[in-house]
Amino acid sequence: EIVLTQSPGTLSLSPGERATLSCRASQSVTSTYLDWYQQKPGQAPRLLIHGASSRATGIPDRFSGSGSGTDFTLTISRLEPEDFAVYYCQYFGSSPLYSFGPGTKLESK
Amino acid sequence: EVQLVESGGGLVQPEGSLTLSCAASGFTFSSYTMNWVRQAPGKGLEWVAYISSSGSNIYYRDSLKGRFTISRDNAHNSLYLQMTSLRDEDTAVYYCAVPLTYSSGLDYWGQGTLVTVAS
Repeated sequence: EIVLTQSPGTLSLSPGERATLSCRASQSVTSTYLDWYQQKPGQAPRLLIHGASSRATGIPDRFSGSGSGTDFTLTISRLEPEDFAVYYCQYFGSSPLYSFGPGTKLESK
Repeated sequence: EVQLVESGGGLVQPEGSLTLSCAASGFTFSSYTMNWVRQAPGKGLEWVAYISSSGSNIYYRDSLKGRFTISRDNAHNSLYLQMTSLRDEDTAVYYCAVPLTYSSGLDYWGQGTLVTVAS
């Protein structure tokens, strides 16, 4: 079973700052199946990054993903007011079929 | 435009049953795998079940096996989740979601339907 952990649990930053969110897998995973989502209150999750580093359609280029093996990172280069939300990493293909991390809450300082 | 619209949520007593539906439009439903994902109030995302495009392959979260059943009707572009022996901990918003464009990422989601298990 793949277990994903995310850090920090909460990140407090100001608009314009750089955000770095971490996702760690309990064992080495295939980057192809590591994805990131953004979720705002009352809304469904939105796919941001697929395959660890590829932006989904319509996602601004201030969002980027990187990593391999067990360590993955979502970076938001310059925070916009609308970026404050909860971010989840997710892995497909193990047991359970889709594993989600516990999330990182990005809040405005 | 791709749309996923869930329905069927509501208040149900413990040990009760409920069936959720997800109406799909804007894509060739019969060509894509489908999933149910849930989110308990104030908690994170939890994958529930997967069904292949033809319905021949089905996977569940281990803890839900035997109580939840995923199915689909490709003729009517609909996805279902039958839930039985419901428990307090099944209280959540249930989303249907599809990996339409990429190999794993769930790029389209419905708005969710709330299931509340309480007496």
